[in-house]
Amino acid sequence: EVQLLESGGGLIQAGESLRISCAASGFTFSDYAMNWVRQAPGKGLEWISFVSSGGVRTYYADSVKDRFTISRDNSKNTVYLQMDRLRAEDTAIYYCAKDRLGPTFSYDAFDYWGQGTLVTVSS
Amino acid sequence: DIQMTQSPSSVSASVGDRVTLTCRASQDIAIWVTWYQQRPGEGPKLLIYRASVLHSGVPARFSGSGSGTDFTLTITNLQPDDFATYYCQQANSLPRTFGQGTKVEI
Repeated sequence: EVQLLESGGGLIQAGESLRISCAASGFTFSDYAMNWVRQAPGKGLEWISFVSSGGVRTYYADSVKDRFTISRDNSKNTVYLQMDRLRAEDTAIYYCAKDRLGPTFSYDAFDYWGQGTLVTVSS
Repeated sequence: DIQMTQSPSSVSASVGDRVTLTCRASQDIAIWVTWYQQRPGEGPKLLIYRASVLHSGVPARFSGSGSGTDFTLTITNLQPDDFATYYCQQANSLPRTFGQGTKVEI
C-alpha cells in the first residue's frame, strides 16, 4: 500500500525558515518524481514544486520560486521542502504527491497524496 | 498560466442522484485534465486522468469526458462517500493549475 506521511509543520514567524518532510513507502521511491501541493485554509489547491526521481530536475511555482527548495534522499525514501523567508500567505496545509507515470517530468496526474502538514506563518 | 474554472461552486444532491460537474480551461489543453476528490480533513484522491481514464480502484459510477477546453465529471448513483469537494487540474503545462473546486453536498 502506497503511503506518504508529511511532517515538520508548525507555527513560525514571518521571515523565518522551516523544512518539511514527506516519508514514502509502498512503492519504489527512486523510480518516481514527486511534488508538493499546498492548500490555504478553506481554499483550493496550488501546485508549488516538482522534483525528478534522481533529484536533478526541479520546477517551482512563481509564488515560491527563489524562496523554497525541493530535494529528496532516495536512501531514506523522503522528499523535503526547505522554505525560507516565509510570509503570512504561505500559511497552508502542505501535501506531497507522487507522480503517476515515473521518474521524469510528464504531463500527467498525481496518483497518491499524503494527509498533509500544516504550516502557519505568523506576521 | 492556464486558468481552470469549475462550475457550479457547489451542488446539492441526494443519495442515488446523478451529478455532472464542469471544468473549463482558458486555452486548449487537449485531454490533459485530471479530476480529484477531497473529503474534509483528507488529502486529495485521484479519480480520473487524461480526461476519461478511471484510476485503479475508483468505482465505475465516476466517469469523465471532454477535450479541448470543456470537461465534465459525472457521478451516477451518488453514494454517501461521494459527498466531497472535487477539483480539476490541467496537466498540459506548468504550473499545473487547479480549478477552485465544486462541493457536492446533501
